[in-house]
Amino acid sequence: KQEVTQIPAALSVPEGENLVLNCSFTDSAIYNLQWFRQDPGKGLTSLLLIQSSQREQTSGRLNASLDKSSGRSTLYIAASQPGDSATYLCAVEASGANSKLTFGKGITLSVRP
Amino acid sequence: DAGVIQSPRHEVTEMGQEVTLRCKPISGHNSLFWYRQTMMRGLELLIYFNNNVPIDDSGMPEDRFSAKMPNASFSTLKIQPSEPRDSAVYFCASSLRTGPYEQYFGPGTRLTVT
Repeated sequence: KQEVTQIPAALSVPEGENLVLNCSFTDSAIYNLQWFRQDPGKGLTSLLLIQSSQREQTSGRLNASLDKSSGRSTLYIAASQPGDSATYLCAVEASGANSKLTFGKGITLSVRP
Repeated sequence: DAGVIQSPRHEVTEMGQEVTLRCKPISGHNSLFWYRQTMMRGLELLIYFNNNVPIDDSGMPEDRFSAKMPNASFSTLKIQPSEPRDSAVYFCASSLRTGPYEQYFGPGTRLTVT
């Protein structure tokens, strides 16, 4: 059974800092990995999707990397801003014709002005 | 596109009552997912459909839960009878199975069972 872990559960940083959010998964046979953002009381917004054949994806100040063999992914946020404060979840999609996402519990990020 | 639409946004009901949650996926998407989110357990997949057919309902907690997708633009999740432990936020998401597989989430329905 796939398990996705995100540690720590919460993180507080000063504005402007570059930071890395970690995600680990137990079964390396994945189809893709997604990073989501969730604001309080809202749904999830997809940030980046990395296919299993890819090593990284970039969007603006965000960069996500994937190392399937070690079961790890990182989300790098450059020059953090207070507006980046949210919960960040990673999810892996299993390989196979009919697959589903398994989510981590998320990292709640607070960026202090 | 309006995105994934869910209704109601909030539902408060008494234990034993029937609850029906509704979802309209993004037009053209052919996969639909129902999730439940709680503080204790995080985000859990309940059931998902491909082309209106239920593929995996192993996450449905009990027979009190049922889901239908009568057509490509509508799905329901029903709880009968409801219990206080069903209190959670229920999300619906949709994706295009021919790629790139990103799931798009609705705003969720916050259910409180008293």
